[in-house]
Amino acid sequence: ETGVTQSPTHLIKTRGQQVTLRCSSQSGHNTVSWYQQALGQGPQFIFQYYREEENGRGNFPPRFSGLQFPNYSSELNVNALELDDSALYLCASSLSGRGTGELFFGEGSRLTVL
Amino acid sequence: DQQVKQNSPSLSVQEGRISILNCDYTNSMFDYFLWYKKYPAEGPTFLISISSIKDKNEDGRFTVFLNKSAKHLSLHIVPSQPGDSAVYFCAASRFGNEKLTFGTGTRLTIIP
Repeated sequence: ETGVTQSPTHLIKTRGQQVTLRCSSQSGHNTVSWYQQALGQGPQFIFQYYREEENGRGNFPPRFSGLQFPNYSSELNVNALELDDSALYLCASSLSGRGTGELFFGEGSRLTVL
Repeated sequence: DQQVKQNSPSLSVQEGRISILNCDYTNSMFDYFLWYKKYPAEGPTFLISISSIKDKNEDGRFTVFLNKSAKHLSLHIVPSQPGDSAVYFCAASRFGNEKLTFGTGTRLTIIP
């Protein structure tokens, strides 16, 4: 069983640039969620995708957008990067409808904005 | 507004003793609670959960207690082992879905 994989693991961008982060979900999982973990904080829910549609969004501006593909992999796009976007971005997959809330996380993509 | 709070940023416990990690929440609509464990350079991994219809759930060395009236839950680890050293996050959701609200974490260090 393949786990959740994310790429890239680390990247550095400058303010105003755009970034795309990628995630392959665990085999058999149909739901992908993205979380932002700032230094010293817990993960914060950005949004969730189910069957290629956004299925809930946290308190993040529209410049955070996403996609889910037919194979359930996903992308997180952030436009007009700000210094505060520096964080670990975690992708998590799950099987919707289980009612357990259990997520399977990847190792994350660490974004530094200079 | 921090709906899930872990007020102890760190905790040190002697190997073999009990570790107790605490978590408080403010949103009474939460009905499912989870604990995740995170090692450096790894993503969080699911540890144990509890539904609001229960007050206790056990899995081996790990037990989670839920006090709904106090909006408080705790994770007990007995006996504590060096491999338990990690950051522990408490999380909550509504309807048992996967949109989790996390606390800020407690760094547990087990002293050999």
